[in-house]
Amino acid sequence: GIQVEQSPPDLILQEGANSTLRCNFSDSVNNLQWFHQNPWGQLINLFYIPSGTKQNGRLSATTVATERYSLLYISSSQTTDSGVYFCAVQTGTSYGKLTFGQGTILTVHP
Amino acid sequence: DAGVTQSPTHLIKTRGQQVTLRCSPKSGHDTVSWYQQALGQGPQFIFQYYEEEERQRGNFPDRFSGHQFPNYSSELNVNALLLGDSALYLCASSSLETQYFGPGTRLLVL
Repeated sequence: GIQVEQSPPDLILQEGANSTLRCNFSDSVNNLQWFHQNPWGQLINLFYIPSGTKQNGRLSATTVATERYSLLYISSSQTTDSGVYFCAVQTGTSYGKLTFGQGTILTVHP
Repeated sequence: DAGVTQSPTHLIKTRGQQVTLRCSPKSGHDTVSWYQQALGQGPQFIFQYYEEEERQRGNFPDRFSGHQFPNYSSELNVNALLLGDSALYLCASSSLETQYFGPGTRLLVL
């Protein structure tokens, strides 16, 4: 099956700093989503981005499908950005099945 | 518009018992997927239901079974519980590509 690798595994920032999270995947995908999991376990949708670039406030994401990676940018980080960020992908042969990476644990200190 | 809801929020069972978890999808969504998330890991796909049929299944034993009702709500049943079944169980609903997750059910098997 498809492999999804996220880096870095852990990231510690001071409030106000910027960061870039990376997601590499081993095969062509037709669905890629970024999620933020809060301390209570809720997975919050950030982006649906199988290709191209999107922005939502301080967050933006870029997926280069031909090179099999996606980047999540967080600017001017806040303590509420802390949590685990997951990338999840779906291939054409596994319709409906999202394969998740191991996540990046982000801690933002005040 | 209510999001994805799950019940119960927490559950404690003993080895060998059976458990049923419930999920109601977002309004307008007809597809429900179930995931298991062990501590420190990304969610793992269990199966997906569409039109009351199991459409896709992950690498989980037959002890894990499900059902979808005509109103699109779904149940996940796990028989003969093992200690290793302790996890956060997440339900996601979708109508097209984007999956939206519920708050999860935390299952502890003693």
